[in-house]
Amino acid sequence: GNSVTQMEGPVTLSEEAFLTINCTYTATGYPSLFWYVQYPGEGLQLLLKATKADDKGSNKGFEATYRKETTSFHLEKGSVQVSDSAVYFCALSEGGSQGNLIFGKGTKLSVKP
Amino acid sequence: DGGITQSPKYLFRKEGQNVTLSCEQNLNHDAMYWYRQDPGQGLRLIYYSQIVNDFQKGDIAEGYSVSREKKESFPLTVTSAQKNPTAFYLCASSIHVPGAKNIQYFGAGTRLSVL
Repeated sequence: GNSVTQMEGPVTLSEEAFLTINCTYTATGYPSLFWYVQYPGEGLQLLLKATKADDKGSNKGFEATYRKETTSFHLEKGSVQVSDSAVYFCALSEGGSQGNLIFGKGTKLSVKP
Repeated sequence: DGGITQSPKYLFRKEGQNVTLSCEQNLNHDAMYWYRQDPGQGLRLIYYSQIVNDFQKGDIAEGYSVSREKKESFPLTVTSAQKNPTAFYLCASSIHVPGAKNIQYFGAGTRLSVL
């Protein structure tokens, strides 16, 4: 079946450090891929998405490239801020009749000043 | 402002009691979803509904029930049969276009605890 695997956290970085959160997926078709972010005590917000191979999603300095050959969608940011501290979820959707999302387990990021 | 409203933010359940979590959206979305979030386990799908008066079980439907009498509303009842209800519950909605890979938008969540 379809699945998403994320690197386990927590990840602790100093402000202005480079961030990479790894995400790989297993899917039978050609899914769309998403990164969602969850700030403490809140729901999930869509951070970025990519709908086909080689697409790059970007938002708020975060980027992720849909790599079909490696079935990956790694999240990167060149210089993190304390306000980026949150839990990040990688997810995929294959569409079909359900349109459901399949989530990874989440990676908690803490950024220290 | 368009969005998804979940209430209450915090809810406490006594043993043997049924409780209902509210989810309302004014985005005119066809599809609505309920997820359960436990620490370290990501989100798991409880129920989803693609159209009014129709809904399907997700991966962990046992001990839960839903209704979809109006497009805007998708309440979730946590029944006494759910023996471990303590979790963070998230509601989401999306435009439903069969075959499309639709973005889901989430509410702020309800944290349910057992007294």
